[in-house]
This record gives sequence, structure tokens and C-alpha cells, in this order.
Amino acid sequence: GAGVSQSPRYKVAKRGQDVALRCDPISGHVSLFWYQQALGQGPEFLTYFQNEAQLDKSGLPSDRFFAERPEGSVSTLKIQRTQQEDSAVYLCASSSGRAWGELFFGSGTQLSVL
Amino acid sequence: AQTVTQSQPEMSVQEAETVTLSCTYDTSESDYYLFWYKQPPSRQMILVIRQEAYKQQNATENRFSVNFQKAAKSFSLKISDSQLGDAAMYFCAYRSGRNTPLVFGKGTRLSVIA
Repeated sequence: GAGVSQSPRYKVAKRGQDVALRCDPISGHVSLFWYQQALGQGPEFLTYFQNEAQLDKSGLPSDRFFAERPEGSVSTLKIQRTQQEDSAVYLCASSSGRAWGELFFGSGTQLSVL
Repeated sequence: AQTVTQSQPEMSVQEAETVTLSCTYDTSESDYYLFWYKQPPSRQMILVIRQEAYKQQNATENRFSVNFQKAAKSFSLKISDSQLGDAAMYFCAYRSGRNTPLVFGKGTRLSVIA
């Protein structure tokens, strides 16, 4: 596609529900990043994939957060048993993986946990 | 760990005037990349300008330029001839290599007054 696509754009969940957020990166981009952005804050790194391999998941805040990219393209961020503190915008970014590779961002999914 | 600090939560500028946004960072690396991203209400991060640490010459992109002071670990953004469309959140970001995530500051909200 022309850009990074994320869906849904908005998600409202009741506390305790599981949610799945989708990211469709730019075609051919090998690197994919997930970020969490709380209201009024800068994005915080969650996890990173190179192709299908998850190379860094040090930013995932708890074991309720899980990400996958099984075929090295589309990625899904899953949050189990959502809590109010999970409310944030979740941004996905992809890059070509070259040294100067700019990160291209999607418009994010705004998650509200009630 | 690398950190990025933006000390100005909010700034304002008159249309057609010049404004400078501040950013400092902390790293023990000698080679890295620095970026300024713009985030309008649509939430999509847009790259404004980037700088490689080994380049002494300050980067310039049309009305946007940086003042990169490597020894001081400072990377400020200057916006000349400010336009109403420049109003947004601006994030300074650091990256140490092609397989590493961006580390963001907390952002500066820029308002442009007509």
C-alpha cells in the first residue's frame, strides 16, 4: 500500500476484554515497530520486528501484551484483559531497514478502556 | 539508556515569524541519528528533518533547519516564516542504528497565531 495502515482507528473496550490491533506496513518494509502514546506524551517503544522475527520486546509493559507478525508483513498487537491504564494511542511504524531508513507511521489506533 | 528531553511543553509564534524548539539528548554512542517529527491532530507522525551525527553541517529543509551541537548534545529546530499549518505537536527523536527503535521526547505543542 501507499502508507502504513492501522485498524481500527478507534476502539472502545470494557475492562477485562481482549483487543487486537492491526498494522499493515508499507509493502517490502522489513522493519516494523509498535509504540504506545499516552495522552499528551511522546510515543513509547513497545516492540520491534525484522521480517517475522520479534527482535526486541523490551517495551511491552506486561505479559498481557503480545505482538506477532507471522508472515513478515501484517502485524497484530493483542492486549488481553484490558485495564484502564492501557488507554492510549497505539502507533505502528515501518521502515526499509537501511541505515538511513526513515520510520513511516500509521495514524494509530486510539484505545479507550472503560 | 538514551534519553531525549524537550524542555518546552508549549510554544507559540506569530504567523510569518521564527520560532526555535529545543531538544537535548543523552547518549554514550558516537554515531547516531536525530529527527524532528510533526504530529498534527490526525495523529500521523510526519518527518520534518533529520541529521546524522557524523555530519557537522546542519540539516535544512525549506523553512526548517536545525542547530546541531554534538558536544553539547543539543538539537534544536528552527521554523522560519511560520505558517498556520505548522501548528502541531513536535517531537525530537534519537536513533542509534538501523535496527533500533526511535526514542522520543515528550513533545512541544506549537501554536501559530494569525
